[in-house]
Amino acid sequence: DVKVTQSSRYLVKRTGEKVFLECVQDMDHENMFWYRQDPGLGLRLIYFSYDVKMKEKGDIPEGYSVSREKKERFSLILESASTNQTSMYLCASSFRPGRDQNTGELFFGEGSRLTVL
Amino acid sequence: DQQVKQNSPSLSVQEGRISILNCDYTNSMFDYFLWYKKYPAEGPTFLISISSIKDKNEDGRFTVFLNKSAKHLSLHIVPSQPGDSAVYFCAARGHGANSKLTFGKGITLSVRP
Repeated sequence: DVKVTQSSRYLVKRTGEKVFLECVQDMDHENMFWYRQDPGLGLRLIYFSYDVKMKEKGDIPEGYSVSREKKERFSLILESASTNQTSMYLCASSFRPGRDQNTGELFFGEGSRLTVL
Repeated sequence: DQQVKQNSPSLSVQEGRISILNCDYTNSMFDYFLWYKKYPAEGPTFLISISSIKDKNEDGRFTVFLNKSAKHLSLHIVPSQPGDSAVYFCAARGHGANSKLTFGKGITLSVRP
């Protein structure tokens, strides 16, 4: 079974703090993603990476950065947390679409619920 | 600009009846469509998918229909069960090895016992 593990299920931080959200996958997937889920807004893509040290901005990258130093690990960084970054953060990974006839289905972690006070 | 639209935020059906969840898209370059199911405090899990070269895909109680000319797809659940109560996300992907999934806003399905 594919395993996508997010380091923290629940975090509470203060405005201005630096926040690290870690994600590890064990399936040798090339692609990794960070989404946030908010009521009424669905899943919005923050950043994604299709290879080590590569990153691409998603739809809402402002206020976030990412790091992918190893294939299995993708980190989301909030340099200075703000209250509007209170959300559920979801990490996902996938094979590159087309590899071995794969369709690029995403596998998600359980999510990290971040509250910024 | 929302490329994947789930216009109904919620749906309530009786146990044993059919649930029909709708999804519309605007980008004709999308070539693959997926449905995900999400319970509270958990990550989404893959449910069923369909390629743009097909018009129907079935897996047990779940069937997805694709109408390319109308840019519309639907997920049918028959019969609906209380355990199906969850948020359902429609997603679409374009061509290319690095293309990303675009998600709709989700539909909350409630199946009444």
